Amino acid sequence: KNEVEQSPQNLTAQEGEFITINCSYSVGISALHWLQQHPGGGIVSLFMLSSGKKKHGRLIATINIQEKHSSLHITASHPRDSAVYICAVLHVPNYGGSQGNLIFGKGTKLSVKP
Amino acid sequence: DTEVTQTPKHLVMGMTNKKSLKCEQHMGHRAMYWYKQKAKKPPELMFVYSYEKLSINESVPSRFSPECPNSSLLNLHLHALQPEDSALYLCASSRGIFYGYTFGSGTRLTVV
Repeated sequence: KNEVEQSPQNLTAQEGEFITINCSYSVGISALHWLQQHPGGGIVSLFMLSSGKKKHGRLIATINIQEKHSSLHITASHPRDSAVYICAVLHVPNYGGSQGNLIFGKGTKLSVKP
Repeated sequence: DTEVTQTPKHLVMGMTNKKSLKCEQHMGHRAMYWYKQKAKKPPELMFVYSYEKLSINESVPSRFSPECPNSSLLNLHLHALQPEDSALYLCASSRGIFYGYTFGSGTRLTVV
Protein backbone atom coordinates (compact mmCIF):
# COMPACT_ATOMS: atom_id res chain seq x y z
CA LYS A 1 0.00 0.00 0.00
CA ASN A 2 1.34 3.45 -0.94
CA GLU A 3 1.94 5.85 1.90
CA VAL A 4 0.05 8.59 0.00
CA GLU A 5 -3.06 7.69 -1.95
CA GLN A 6 -4.89 10.08 -4.26
CA SER A 7 -8.26 9.76 -5.88
CA PRO A 8 -9.39 9.89 -8.54
CA GLN A 9 -6.41 9.13 -10.80
CA ASN A 10 -8.09 10.85 -13.74
CA LEU A 11 -10.86 13.41 -13.75
CA THR A 12 -12.68 15.05 -16.64
CA ALA A 13 -14.96 17.99 -15.93
CA GLN A 14 -16.95 20.57 -17.83
CA GLU A 15 -15.99 24.20 -17.48
CA GLY A 16 -17.67 25.71 -14.44
CA GLU A 17 -17.96 22.50 -12.45
CA PHE A 18 -16.89 22.15 -8.82
CA ILE A 19 -13.99 19.72 -8.52
CA THR A 20 -12.72 17.72 -5.55
CA ILE A 21 -9.48 15.73 -5.39
CA ASN A 22 -8.80 13.59 -2.34
CA CYS A 23 -5.60 12.54 -0.59
CA SER A 24 -5.14 10.01 2.22
CA TYR A 25 -1.87 9.22 3.92
CA SER A 26 -0.64 6.65 6.39
CA VAL A 27 2.52 8.18 7.90
CA GLY A 28 3.13 10.84 10.49
CA ILE A 29 3.52 14.22 8.88
CA SER A 30 4.40 17.76 9.77
CA ALA A 31 2.66 19.25 6.73
CA LEU A 32 0.95 18.42 3.46
CA HIS A 33 1.51 20.07 0.09
CA TRP A 34 -0.80 20.36 -2.87
CA LEU A 35 1.23 20.80 -6.05
CA GLN A 36 0.29 21.53 -9.66
CA GLN A 37 2.19 20.34 -12.71
CA HIS A 38 1.32 21.22 -16.30
CA PRO A 39 2.37 18.77 -19.05
CA GLY A 40 6.14 18.81 -19.50
CA GLY A 41 6.46 21.54 -16.93
CA GLY A 42 7.85 22.17 -13.51
CA ILE A 43 5.96 21.97 -10.26
CA VAL A 44 4.11 24.84 -8.63
CA SER A 45 3.30 24.68 -4.95
CA LEU A 46 -0.37 25.62 -4.42
CA PHE A 47 -0.72 25.12 -0.67
CA MET A 48 1.11 23.87 2.36
CA LEU A 49 -1.21 22.80 5.20
CA SER A 50 -0.67 21.52 8.68
CA SER A 51 -4.24 22.05 9.90
CA GLY A 52 -7.61 23.46 8.92
CA LYS A 53 -8.30 25.12 5.62
CA LYS A 54 -6.64 27.50 3.17
CA LYS A 55 -8.12 29.41 0.26
CA HIS A 56 -6.44 31.08 -2.69
CA GLY A 57 -8.66 32.42 -5.42
CA ARG A 58 -10.81 29.54 -6.71
CA LEU A 59 -8.74 26.92 -4.89
CA ILE A 60 -9.53 25.61 -1.42
CA ALA A 61 -7.52 23.02 0.49
CA THR A 62 -8.56 21.30 3.70
CA ILE A 63 -6.85 18.82 5.98
CA ASN A 64 -8.10 16.57 8.78
CA ILE A 65 -5.05 15.46 10.76
CA GLN A 66 -6.97 12.94 12.88
CA GLU A 67 -8.38 11.21 9.79
CA LYS A 68 -5.15 11.64 7.79
CA HIS A 69 -7.06 13.07 4.88
CA SER A 70 -6.90 16.19 2.74
CA SER A 71 -9.00 17.54 -0.11
CA LEU A 72 -8.32 20.07 -2.85
CA HIS A 73 -11.37 21.84 -4.25
CA ILE A 74 -11.56 23.95 -7.40
CA THR A 75 -14.62 26.15 -7.78
CA ALA A 76 -15.85 27.33 -11.20
CA SER A 77 -13.28 25.19 -13.00
CA HIS A 78 -11.67 26.50 -16.19
CA PRO A 79 -9.74 24.78 -19.01
CA ARG A 80 -6.55 26.45 -17.77
CA ASP A 81 -6.93 24.39 -14.56
CA SER A 82 -6.13 21.28 -16.63
CA ALA A 83 -2.99 19.83 -15.08
CA VAL A 84 -1.77 17.07 -12.79
CA TYR A 85 -2.44 17.78 -9.12
CA ILE A 86 -0.11 16.09 -6.68
CA CYS A 87 -0.51 15.59 -2.96
CA ALA A 88 2.80 15.35 -1.10
CA VAL A 89 3.27 14.88 2.63
CA LEU A 90 6.25 16.11 4.60
CA HIS A 91 7.30 13.09 6.61
CA VAL A 92 9.65 13.64 9.51
CA PRO A 93 11.48 10.37 10.24
CA ASN A 94 11.57 9.04 13.81
CA TYR A 95 15.37 9.25 13.87
CA GLY A 96 15.13 13.02 13.83
CA GLY A 97 17.55 15.04 11.78
CA SER A 98 17.17 18.50 10.43
CA GLN A 99 15.19 17.66 7.34
CA GLY A 100 12.05 15.79 6.49
CA ASN A 101 11.25 14.17 3.21
CA LEU A 102 8.40 14.76 0.78
CA ILE A 103 6.41 11.64 -0.06
CA PHE A 104 4.42 12.12 -3.24
CA GLY A 105 1.10 10.70 -4.30
CA LYS A 106 0.78 9.48 -7.88
CA GLY A 107 -1.15 12.54 -8.93
CA THR A 108 -4.60 13.27 -10.33
CA LYS A 109 -4.79 14.24 -13.97
CA LEU A 110 -7.51 16.85 -14.41
CA SER A 111 -8.95 17.82 -17.79
CA VAL A 112 -11.48 20.63 -17.90
CA LYS A 113 -13.44 20.81 -21.18
CA PRO A 114 -14.81 24.13 -22.46
CA ASP B 1 13.20 36.90 -5.43
CA THR B 2 10.87 33.98 -4.71
CA GLU B 3 11.98 31.57 -7.39
CA VAL B 4 14.15 28.56 -7.93
CA THR B 5 15.89 28.96 -11.28
CA GLN B 6 17.10 25.91 -13.18
CA THR B 7 19.32 25.95 -16.24
CA PRO B 8 19.31 24.74 -18.90
CA LYS B 9 15.62 24.09 -19.54
CA HIS B 10 16.42 21.38 -22.08
CA LEU B 11 19.57 19.29 -22.54
CA VAL B 12 20.43 16.59 -25.04
CA MET B 13 23.65 14.71 -24.34
CA GLY B 14 25.47 11.67 -25.58
CA MET B 15 26.41 8.78 -23.33
CA THR B 16 30.08 9.84 -23.31
CA ASN B 17 29.43 13.51 -22.56
CA LYS B 18 29.95 15.39 -19.32
CA LYS B 19 27.39 18.08 -18.53
CA SER B 20 26.06 19.94 -15.51
CA LEU B 21 22.64 21.08 -14.37
CA LYS B 22 22.40 24.24 -12.33
CA CYS B 23 19.91 25.35 -9.69
CA GLU B 24 19.88 28.74 -7.99
CA GLN B 25 17.76 30.39 -5.31
CA HIS B 26 18.10 33.65 -3.43
CA MET B 27 15.44 33.14 -0.78
CA GLY B 28 17.88 32.23 1.98
CA HIS B 29 16.68 28.63 1.98
CA ARG B 30 19.21 26.33 3.62
CA ALA B 31 17.88 23.05 2.22
CA MET B 32 18.08 22.18 -1.46
CA TYR B 33 16.93 19.06 -3.22
CA TRP B 34 17.37 17.22 -6.52
CA TYR B 35 14.49 15.10 -7.81
CA LYS B 36 14.19 12.91 -10.90
CA GLN B 37 10.80 12.56 -12.56
CA LYS B 38 9.96 10.06 -15.29
CA ALA B 39 6.89 10.56 -17.46
CA LYS B 40 3.59 10.07 -15.64
CA LYS B 41 5.36 9.24 -12.37
CA PRO B 42 5.80 11.29 -9.20
CA PRO B 43 9.21 12.83 -8.52
CA GLU B 44 11.84 10.63 -6.86
CA LEU B 45 14.26 12.14 -4.37
CA MET B 46 17.92 11.95 -5.38
CA PHE B 47 19.87 14.22 -3.05
CA VAL B 48 19.30 16.61 -0.16
CA TYR B 49 21.71 19.34 0.88
CA SER B 50 21.23 20.94 4.26
CA TYR B 51 23.42 23.93 5.15
CA GLU B 52 25.60 23.13 2.11
CA LYS B 53 26.30 19.60 3.32
CA LEU B 54 24.97 16.46 1.66
CA SER B 55 22.51 14.99 4.14
CA ILE B 56 20.61 12.46 2.04
CA ASN B 57 21.78 10.43 -0.96
CA GLU B 58 19.05 8.06 -2.07
CA SER B 59 21.35 5.38 -3.51
CA VAL B 60 21.88 7.31 -6.71
CA PRO B 61 24.44 5.92 -9.21
CA SER B 62 27.83 7.63 -9.15
CA ARG B 63 27.34 8.92 -12.69
CA PHE B 64 25.27 11.63 -10.94
CA SER B 65 27.43 13.86 -8.75
CA PRO B 66 25.89 16.70 -6.75
CA GLU B 67 27.73 19.80 -5.61
CA CYS B 68 26.67 22.70 -3.41
CA PRO B 69 29.30 25.46 -3.83
CA ASN B 70 27.36 27.92 -1.65
CA SER B 71 24.01 28.37 0.03
CA SER B 72 22.36 29.69 -3.15
CA LEU B 73 23.65 27.28 -5.73
CA LEU B 74 23.23 23.56 -6.36
CA ASN B 75 24.77 21.70 -9.27
CA LEU B 76 24.25 18.21 -10.61
CA HIS B 77 27.20 16.91 -12.63
CA LEU B 78 26.41 14.25 -15.19
CA HIS B 79 28.88 11.78 -16.69
CA ALA B 80 28.47 8.60 -18.74
CA LEU B 81 24.69 8.61 -18.50
CA GLN B 82 22.43 5.94 -19.92
CA PRO B 83 19.33 6.48 -22.09
CA GLU B 84 17.17 5.40 -19.13
CA ASP B 85 18.44 8.47 -17.26
CA SER B 86 16.36 10.63 -19.61
CA ALA B 87 13.86 12.43 -17.39
CA LEU B 88 12.80 15.77 -15.95
CA TYR B 89 15.25 16.83 -13.23
CA LEU B 90 13.67 19.08 -10.65
CA CYS B 91 15.38 21.22 -8.06
CA ALA B 92 13.60 22.45 -4.94
CA SER B 93 14.48 24.43 -1.86
CA SER B 94 12.98 25.01 1.55
CA ARG B 95 13.69 27.01 4.67
CA GLY B 96 13.29 23.95 6.85
CA ILE B 97 11.05 21.03 7.69
CA PHE B 98 8.11 23.17 8.77
CA TYR B 99 8.18 25.32 5.67
CA GLY B 100 6.95 24.87 2.14
CA TYR B 101 9.06 23.75 -0.78
CA THR B 102 9.68 25.94 -3.81
CA PHE B 103 10.25 23.98 -7.00
CA GLY B 104 12.10 24.99 -10.13
CA SER B 105 10.65 24.46 -13.58
CA GLY B 106 13.03 21.60 -14.23
CA THR B 107 15.59 20.53 -16.82
CA ARG B 108 14.30 18.12 -19.46
CA LEU B 109 17.25 15.77 -20.07
CA THR B 110 17.50 13.44 -23.05
CA VAL B 111 20.39 10.98 -23.25
CA VAL B 112 21.08 9.67 -26.74
